[in-house]
Amino acid sequence: DAKTTQPNSMESNEEEPVHLPCNHSTISGTDYIHWYRQLPSQGPEYVIHGLTSNVNNRMASLAIAEDRKSSTLILHRATLRDAAVYYCILRSTSTSTGANSKLTFGKGITLSVRP
Amino acid sequence: DSGVTQTPKHLITATGQRVTLRCSPRSGDLSVYWYQQSLDQGLQFLIHYYNGEERAKGNILERFSAQQFPDLHSELNLSSLELGDSALYFCASSVAAGGYNEQFFGPGTRLTVL
Repeated sequence: DAKTTQPNSMESNEEEPVHLPCNHSTISGTDYIHWYRQLPSQGPEYVIHGLTSNVNNRMASLAIAEDRKSSTLILHRATLRDAAVYYCILRSTSTSTGANSKLTFGKGITLSVRP
Repeated sequence: DSGVTQTPKHLITATGQRVTLRCSPRSGDLSVYWYQQSLDQGLQFLIHYYNGEERAKGNILERFSAQQFPDLHSELNLSSLELGDSALYFCASSVAAGGYNEQFFGPGTRLTVL
């Protein structure tokens, strides 16, 4: 699996935007960029994913570099509830092999939100 | 609430014992994944089932086995338990088996081996 690199931790103030970076220099053309987060004492939850274009949903935005070697998850107004570990994960678009559909979690980035 | 249920929530047992963890996927989801989360190893993929068939294996020990039943619920069996098996075990489900499908995680089963 192609690897991702994230900072260990970030801090943010409540109600301010947060930009969480992810480097994936060995990404292949068939890899989707997925973001999941894990709130304290909960299972991971899906945040957003994209392939080439920037994506928006109700939770966040995903900005993907033109060369796809990096991406940024953007939380537009951080709340205390957004304090979590955020994982950037690459997943192949291939549907033919079950092994491609697993999620390979790294250490993620721990986001702290100050009131 | 993700729609994925796992039982039990907590399990405390002794070394050498055998336990079964149960997972019910979201309605309509055919894929079930099992993950283990420990402090030293982080979140690790164990095994994936799709519509009753094993599709992929990850870092799953030989002492561990899983199956997915015709009603699509899944069980993870852990035997000859060791102290190091203490961890959170998550089940996730998705509609299909492809790499672009969102996975929905259950609340996990916390296993403590004494």
